[in-house]
Amino acid sequence: KQEVTQIPAALSVPEGENLVLNCSFTDSAIYNLQWFRQDPGKGLTSLLLIQSSQREQTSGRLNASLDKSSGRSTLYIAASQPGDSATYLCADGGGGADGLTFGKGTHLIIQP
Amino acid sequence: AAGVIQSPRHLIKEKRETATLKCYPIPRHDTVYWYQQGPGQDPQFLISFYEKMQSDKGSIPDRFSAQQFSDYHSELNMSSLELGDSALYFCASSLLAGGPNIQYFGAGTRLSVL
Repeated sequence: KQEVTQIPAALSVPEGENLVLNCSFTDSAIYNLQWFRQDPGKGLTSLLLIQSSQREQTSGRLNASLDKSSGRSTLYIAASQPGDSATYLCADGGGGADGLTFGKGTHLIIQP
Repeated sequence: AAGVIQSPRHLIKEKRETATLKCYPIPRHDTVYWYQQGPGQDPQFLISFYEKMQSDKGSIPDRFSAQQFSDYHSELNMSSLELGDSALYFCASSLLAGGPNIQYFGAGTRLSVL
């Protein structure tokens, strides 16, 4: 059974810093890896999806990488802003109509 | 662009009552997923439907059932509600036929069981 772990559980950094959020998974036979953002009490916003055949995806200030051999994915946020404050979750997609397996998230606070 | 629509947004029920949550997927999406997120927890997958047929099943209690209708909307039926069922319930949809199968989430239904 796939297990997804996110480290750190919480992170607080000053505005403007570049930062990396980590996601690890136990089963390297993943179909895709999806990163989400969740604001308190709100829904999940899809940020990036990396398919198993890809190594990275970029969207604006966000870059996500995938290393299946080591069972790791990272989300890089450049030039952080207070509006980036949220919980970031990674999730393993099992393929087809399989449900996602989520990590417990990293709660990120960007200090103005 | 149209998103996933969930109704109601908030629902308050008593123990042992029933509840029905509705989900309207993004137009032309063929797959619907249901998730439960307890307070301070990560979302847990419940069940999914592809082209109106049940596809994958997660940690859905026997007291819950779901279906996808001919217009692709889905309903999650919850009976004999317990205090522990209080949670955010998310519906997601995706286009499985071709493409990377990105799941797009609705805003959720917050269920409170008193």
